[in-house]
Amino acid sequence: QVQLVESGGGVVQPGKSLRLSCAASGFIFSSHGMHWVRQAPGKGLECLAFISSDGTIKYYADSVKGRLTISRENSRKRLYLQVNSLRGDDTAVYYCARGGYGLDVWGQGTTVTVSS
Amino acid sequence: DIQLTQSPSSLSASVGDRVTITCRASQGIRNGLGWYQQKPGKAPQGLIYAASYLQSGVPSRFSGSGSGTEFTLTISSLQPEDFATYYCLQHNNYPWTFGQGTKVDIK
Repeated sequence: QVQLVESGGGVVQPGKSLRLSCAASGFIFSSHGMHWVRQAPGKGLECLAFISSDGTIKYYADSVKGRLTISRENSRKRLYLQVNSLRGDDTAVYYCARGGYGLDVWGQGTTVTVSS
Repeated sequence: DIQLTQSPSSLSASVGDRVTITCRASQGIRNGLGWYQQKPGKAPQGLIYAASYLQSGVPSRFSGSGSGTEFTLTISSLQPEDFATYYCLQHNNYPWTFGQGTKVDIK
């Protein structure tokens, strides 16, 4: 079935970097734009980044521009999010989501906790 | 970035009630708006895309309307499984943006 599975979260010290991964299955990954969305504890949803199906077009939310890099490997059906200079307000559940008719498929999320 | 404002921020309702949530955009987004339901500890699930189209498998008691800057999500007869938080998402301009959410709880 259509599925997205995130990995790579954990407890990270402030100032460090982290790379999150999202493994796709059950659909033609290379045909879809993909997104990263996060949710801080007790807060709402925040779209972070978008990458087009072929990886040539990328957009970032202003709040994270310069610290995040979205990328993908279509041959491996993988989406990535590199987060640099982590700080406390990056603590959140990070979701990958398939773009199409809005965000029509979501992963279960991976939790990132920034703490010393 | 386009700002979305949902109202109300929360509401209390009973099973069987008709519930309406509004989402206003800071600029026109044509029909590029979706609605999502999220239950505690779970990933969001899509309900509506392009303002009024139901995602596959979504019950017909959910409906969406609007265009431009004002949109609504209506639940025609609230069911026990509908108590959750609802978010609007504009998918017309990158970066896509969410509203702040509306929590629907039991009266």
